[in-house]
Amino acid sequence: GEDVEQSLFLSVREGDSSVINCTYTDSSSTYLYWYKQEPGAGLQLLTYIFSNMDMKQDQRLTVLLNKKDKHLSLRIADTQTGDSAIYFCAESIGGYQKVTFGTGTKLQVIP
Amino acid sequence: DTAVSQTPKYLVTQMGNDKSIKCEQNLGHDTMYWYKQDSKKFLKIMFSYNNKELIINETVPNRFSPKSPDKAHLNLHINSLELGDSAVYFCASSQDQGSEAFFGQGTRLTVV
Repeated sequence: GEDVEQSLFLSVREGDSSVINCTYTDSSSTYLYWYKQEPGAGLQLLTYIFSNMDMKQDQRLTVLLNKKDKHLSLRIADTQTGDSAIYFCAESIGGYQKVTFGTGTKLQVIP
Repeated sequence: DTAVSQTPKYLVTQMGNDKSIKCEQNLGHDTMYWYKQDSKKFLKIMFSYNNKELIINETVPNRFSPKSPDKAHLNLHINSLELGDSAVYFCASSQDQGSEAFFGQGTRLTVV
């Protein structure tokens, strides 16, 4: 079945690292994504990882995938106030044909 | 230049009315989607079109009818609106069914 879960809220201080976690249930997922939604805006793709990868780093973002535990995380280094948003993880099978989104984690960055 | 644009951005209407939300993409993509984001921010796919043909139709009431006059447009028509239809609706497009999607700004629909 398809189910993607995230904690609803995370609060961090500016300059600290943020880690947003996600669990999924479909072991046949091929792509896993992280999207950012700022207030009143659409979804912006931050990064994605193929299911045969363990880690992907892109500037301040690090994605870790534990396929055995079906656990995906997004680490934001040196978190800034501009990072305050809702972060969605998502999984797909065979590409973007059908993507299942998590419930979203609201990240609050305290100055 | 806006890649994926939706209109209107806000829509307030009474129960029972019929309304449409329009979506246009200027990216030359073949695939377009409609997503519904409910009050708990959960995002769920409703429809997917590839080259004007319906690919995905999730469990959505028949009152929702997508229309794709050409591959750059995917409009969402909703008949007999109900209170539970209140949500933010996102349109998206991707080059093909295996590529990343680009989302519109969303349309906040409020049914009163």
